Amino acid sequence: DTGVSQNPRHKITKRGQNVTFRCDPISEHNRLYWYRQTLGQGPEFLTYFQNEAQLEKSRLLSDRFSAERPKGSFSTLEIQRTEQGDSAMYLCASSFLQRALTDTQYFGPGTRLTVL
Amino acid sequence: KQEVTQIPAALSVPEGENLVLNCSFTDSAIYNLQWFRQDPGKGLTSLLLIQSSQREQTSGRLNASLDKSSGRSTLYIAASQPGDSATYLCAALTGTASKLTFGTGTRLQVTL
Repeated sequence: DTGVSQNPRHKITKRGQNVTFRCDPISEHNRLYWYRQTLGQGPEFLTYFQNEAQLEKSRLLSDRFSAERPKGSFSTLEIQRTEQGDSAMYLCASSFLQRALTDTQYFGPGTRLTVL
Repeated sequence: KQEVTQIPAALSVPEGENLVLNCSFTDSAIYNLQWFRQDPGKGLTSLLLIQSSQREQTSGRLNASLDKSSGRSTLYIAASQPGDSATYLCAALTGTASKLTFGTGTRLQVTL
């Protein structure tokens, strides 16, 4: 069990550029979550997948954000036309839903995005 | 909408002291409550998870309690050590999405 991995760990970009992050969940976990954490705040839910289906998106996820999980394994989060307000830590978590709503989420180390 | 609040925002204690961190939530219809530890610039490490049907969970020097009716949870740390210095976050699991709603955390510093 290698845990949840995220790449890159750090990303510095200029305003207006596009960025893409990758999350590799624990193998065989069927649920994958994305959260965003700004400085001094707790993480906030962005979206989640069950297998390859994206089942819920937060209103925080503007139309510049898109997430995919094409084969129900790894996921990517893309931000288009980045803004300084997008600077944050982007956290990925995965879980295995065995019984309704009792799954434990395991978090990756996060990708820290800085938009200049 | 679930809201989670943590008090205090920051806490500094000398090594060896016992301490309590508080977490409150507005919607008592939670499925479970988790406590996490976060070191600066790092991801989250799960410490304890309390199911909605449970009252408390223990792991080593950590004990977490849950009172759904009053919307409160506490994390008790016994005999604190400098290595316990970190930010502690509580999160309530609600809704069909099983999404976690986090508090803003308590930043703990244990001094020598």
